[in-house]
Amino acid sequence: GENVEQHPSTLSVQEGDSAVIKCTYSDSASNYFPWYKQELGKRPQLIIDIRSNVGEKKDQRIAVTLNKTAKHFSLHITETQPEDSAVYFCAASRGGNDMRFGAGTRLTVKP
Amino acid sequence: DAGVTQSPTHLIKTRGQQVTLRCSPKSGHDTVSWYQQALGQGPQFIFQYYEEEERQRGNFPDRFSGHQFPNYSSELNVNALLLGDSALYLCASSLAAGASNQPQHFGDGTRLSIL
Repeated sequence: GENVEQHPSTLSVQEGDSAVIKCTYSDSASNYFPWYKQELGKRPQLIIDIRSNVGEKKDQRIAVTLNKTAKHFSLHITETQPEDSAVYFCAASRGGNDMRFGAGTRLTVKP
Repeated sequence: DAGVTQSPTHLIKTRGQQVTLRCSPKSGHDTVSWYQQALGQGPQFIFQYYEEEERQRGNFPDRFSGHQFPNYSSELNVNALLLGDSALYLCASSLAAGASNQPQHFGDGTRLSIL
């Protein structure tokens, strides 16, 4: 089955800096890669997703890149703000069914 | 537009008991997936229901079972509870659209504690 690895497990940046979180996956048939943000005690919220037919997608300060050959994808957050502090999860799935999540990255943005 | 709702929010059980958790999908969604999230970890896929049938299943024992009703709502049942079943149980709904990948939207979860 699919195995998703996520790095780093914790990330601390200064407000205004950029943050990058990286994930690798094992199943070459995976074709859908969402990213979720989970604040303490709250539900995971979808922040951006990418499908295997594109290499990059951007939404304001958030971007995701996908390298299908290397089987890795990354989340980029620019101009970080304290409210970006949360745990971020990457996931991979085949057909949007059984999503397999990474272990999460705890991002802290220091004012 | 109602999002994904789960009940109850918290539940305390003892070892060996059985529990039923409930989920109502986001309006317009027809597919429900269940996940177990242990403290400090990512959600683990339990199973997915579509058209009232289990469509796919993760690596969970048969003690975990589910059901989907004609109105697309779903239940997760866990029998013979173990201490290790203590976790946040998340329900996510999506819209099946052939082979395309549709985003899953999560509920707030049910926090299950086993004593």
